[in-house]
Amino acid sequence: EVQLVESGGGLVQPGGSLRLSCAASGFTFSNYWMHWVRQVLGKGLMWVSRIDTDGSETTYADSVKGRFTISRDNTKNTLYLQIIGLRAEDSGVYYCARDPVIPDGMDVWGQGTTVLVSS
Amino acid sequence: QSALTQPAPVSGSPGQSITISCTGTSNDVGGYNLVSWYQQYPGKAPKLLIYEVTERPSGVSNRFSGSKSGNTASLTISGLQAEDEADYYCCSYARNNIWIFGGGTKVTVL
Repeated sequence: EVQLVESGGGLVQPGGSLRLSCAASGFTFSNYWMHWVRQVLGKGLMWVSRIDTDGSETTYADSVKGRFTISRDNTKNTLYLQIIGLRAEDSGVYYCARDPVIPDGMDVWGQGTTVLVSS
Repeated sequence: QSALTQPAPVSGSPGQSITISCTGTSNDVGGYNLVSWYQQYPGKAPKLLIYEVTERPSGVSNRFSGSKSGNTASLTISGLQAEDEADYYCCSYARNNIWIFGGGTKVTVL
């Protein structure tokens, strides 16, 4: 079964850091681009970041540049999102999603992991 | 990186057709045929409905269809059913290798 499972979320104080993980199974992880998408509770989706198949190219939304780092370990079939300098507005559910590239589109999503930034 | 513009809640009666628009710019929706649409139920992960403007993944009902004209993409749901009550989001690839989502549209089946 094709599956993505996120972990690593939790309650963090402002200014703190966190590393989210996304474990992939059931498909050849290294063949796919991967994305992180955030959703504030009760609000819409916001694209956060994308990484290419071997990790050599990454892109970020302007609002997270410099604080978020996306990476992947194809030997462990795992995607990561390192976040530093956490702010209240970073709170939300973080989803990882698979992108076949051709065709374009996020075709498989994880269940999400929740990050709450609060003192 | 402003969100793509989607309408406020949309409603329809069972059996009707509804259309959700998604307006961007020439730097995103209008510049690429890389618009996708997602359905999301409360508390659940989004599900891909349409990719590359008009294409449906296997297993997605043919009641869902996509189109684009200029800087505006559209999702049409035909033969509206109770199970279609959900939030719908468009997403477009944009210049400089980024992606932009729309603000979402809540669909209510009357």
